[in-house]
Amino acid sequence: KNEVEQSPQNLTAQEGEFITINCSYSVGISALHWLQQHPGGGIVSLFMLSSGKKKHGRLIATINIQEKHSSLHITASHPRDSAVYICAVSFNDMRFGAGTRLTVKP
Amino acid sequence: GAGVSQSPRYKVAKRGQDVALRCDPISGHVSLFWYQQALGQGPEFLTYFQNEAQLDKSGLPSDRFFAERPEGSVSTLKIQRTQQEDSAVYLCASSLGVTALSGYTFGSGTRLTVV
Repeated sequence: KNEVEQSPQNLTAQEGEFITINCSYSVGISALHWLQQHPGGGIVSLFMLSSGKKKHGRLIATINIQEKHSSLHITASHPRDSAVYICAVSFNDMRFGAGTRLTVKP
Repeated sequence: GAGVSQSPRYKVAKRGQDVALRCDPISGHVSLFWYQQALGQGPEFLTYFQNEAQLDKSGLPSDRFFAERPEGSVSTLKIQRTQQEDSAVYLCASSLGVTALSGYTFGSGTRLTVV
């Protein structure tokens, strides 16, 4: 069983919709990361969380340490948000989920 | 440099050929990580360096894979006798500190295709 599970695997939304991507993990961590990967591109770090909630523009990330669960929310989604969103957990190194492929249609 | 630089960006190798992938981390970053990302999958851990010391190589899939960071800066991932299953994007990341809390910066990756 993968240490980091993401859902859904694929997500298609209409522009303007509110989007939620979920991440569950089974190991002890020092931080949880949400990353964005565009086709052919490198990985960009969106958030690093060890507790609570963070917000950056239209992106919100939350984490519940007791439940070992995190969510990434995108408000007022836009086609440019189309990418793969990856949840990763870190202790000494980083372990990744398989990613959620988001497509936002105009 | 301003970011983590990886080269080459793309590499096509014939099966059985040896390849060397380079990662130039952000200057002063202590920790360096290599990951392998197959098509449609999340990255999988390969190996981790703290300065020049390779502290964890548990993710290297076989003894054909070898990584080094001799002076604690630039790192090279070498794959000997490449096989088709080695085709993937190889990602490098660096971190300022030795704990996760200092954050990670990723390179753009090297896409290796073995034909």
